[in-house]
Amino acid sequence: GENVEQHPSTLSVQEGDSAVIKCTYSDSASNYFPWYKQELGKRPQLIIDIRSNVGEKKDQRIAVTLNKTAKHFSLHITETQPEDSAVYFCAASNPRTGFQKLVFGTGTRLLVSP
Amino acid sequence: DARVTQTPRDKVTEMGQEVTMRCQPILGHNTVFWYRQTMMQGLELLAYFRNRAPLDDSGMPKDRFSAEMPDATLATLKIQPSEPRDSAVYFCASGLGDGETQYFGPGTRLLVL
Repeated sequence: GENVEQHPSTLSVQEGDSAVIKCTYSDSASNYFPWYKQELGKRPQLIIDIRSNVGEKKDQRIAVTLNKTAKHFSLHITETQPEDSAVYFCAASNPRTGFQKLVFGTGTRLLVSP
Repeated sequence: DARVTQTPRDKVTEMGQEVTMRCQPILGHNTVFWYRQTMMQGLELLAYFRNRAPLDDSGMPKDRFSAEMPDATLATLKIQPSEPRDSAVYFCASGLGDGETQYFGPGTRLLVL
């Protein structure tokens, strides 16, 4: 089945710096890659997603890039702010299982220091 | 702003007791997912429903867990009997069709003593 690896597990940056989180997936049939942000004690919330027919997607300070050949995708956060501090999860989904099952990475704890 | 709701938000129970968690998906969504989140295992898919029919529950311990959708507005996850290793946060998520965004509920934090 699909396996998603996420790095780094923790990331500390100064306010205003950029942050990059990387994920790799194993199943070449995966075609949907969402990123979720989870603040302490809260629900995971979708912040951006990308489908396999697109190489890059941006939404204000966040962007996601996808390299299908290498089977990896990354989250980029620019001009980080303290409120960006949270755990970020990547996920991959493919229809091979008969439905769009999301397999999550293990999460990256991002800490943005003022 | 439509949201997935879950009850209870917190549950403390003793080993051996039955636990029932409820989820109300976003109106109109036809897919419902149950996840379990622990520090050690991360987010694990327990069960998946499409149009109220269970399509996959391979991630669920069959001997003690059961998931149902009595109607389109209610999904339930039941543990009987509960064990300390079931302590976790249980999330319900809903979506509109396959391959679409999943929206998570606030979760039920379960502690089994």
